[in-house]
Amino acid sequence: DAKTTQPPSMDCAEGRAANLPCNHSTISGNEYVYWYRQIHSQGPQYIIHGLKNNETNEMASLIITEDRKSSTLILPHATLRDTAVYYCIVGVGGEKLTFGTGTRLTIIP
Amino acid sequence: DTGVSQDPRHKITKRGQNVTFRCDPISEHNRLYWYRQTLGQGPEFLTYFQNEAQLEKSRLLSDRFSAERPKGSFSTLEIQRTEQGDSAMYLCASSLITLQAGDEQFFGPGTRLTVL
Repeated sequence: DAKTTQPPSMDCAEGRAANLPCNHSTISGNEYVYWYRQIHSQGPQYIIHGLKNNETNEMASLIITEDRKSSTLILPHATLRDTAVYYCIVGVGGEKLTFGTGTRLTIIP
Repeated sequence: DTGVSQDPRHKITKRGQNVTFRCDPISEHNRLYWYRQTLGQGPEFLTYFQNEAQLEKSRLLSDRFSAERPKGSFSTLEIQRTEQGDSAMYLCASSLITLQAGDEQFFGPGTRLTVL
């Protein structure tokens, strides 16, 4: 069973920051938080992951709360191409990923 | 392009036929994973390999399914006596295991199977 909870859908205006929340209250100490996204009919695309500290790369930022029970993925300047299903996954590095149903993010022009 | 590749991208078959899919991982990635995704659902784990060794299989992988990674490079997934319920997107992913930094998985484009 998926170990994360995400809102089923969100909208965001083009050019604004998209903030996608995820709850993972049962996360274990050795589990990472991974974010993937899937654009219609394509394979999932890796976005970012983190263990304890906040992380940033060219695609997004990941903010993990101090107790690690929740996190937020931030897309700083959303474009229409960011419309996708976003999956938040917790797991041990290298082991199987357990996907939930994710958040369907729609970027509004 | 040095990403994960899968072949074929689409496969239509009749019920009862056998099908085989191929996955070529990112070069030097030592782990290779297979997932299945049905419409409206997230991907579900099927199995994974460390080099040529199959380390874990999901209970979703019935006796009609078999996966191999004979030389620790590419992998094949075979489905025998296909059923309409096998219609899905079959996804392959690979990762380089370092046990240090999260070892994220990178996915291929998938093979869409339709069983008539």
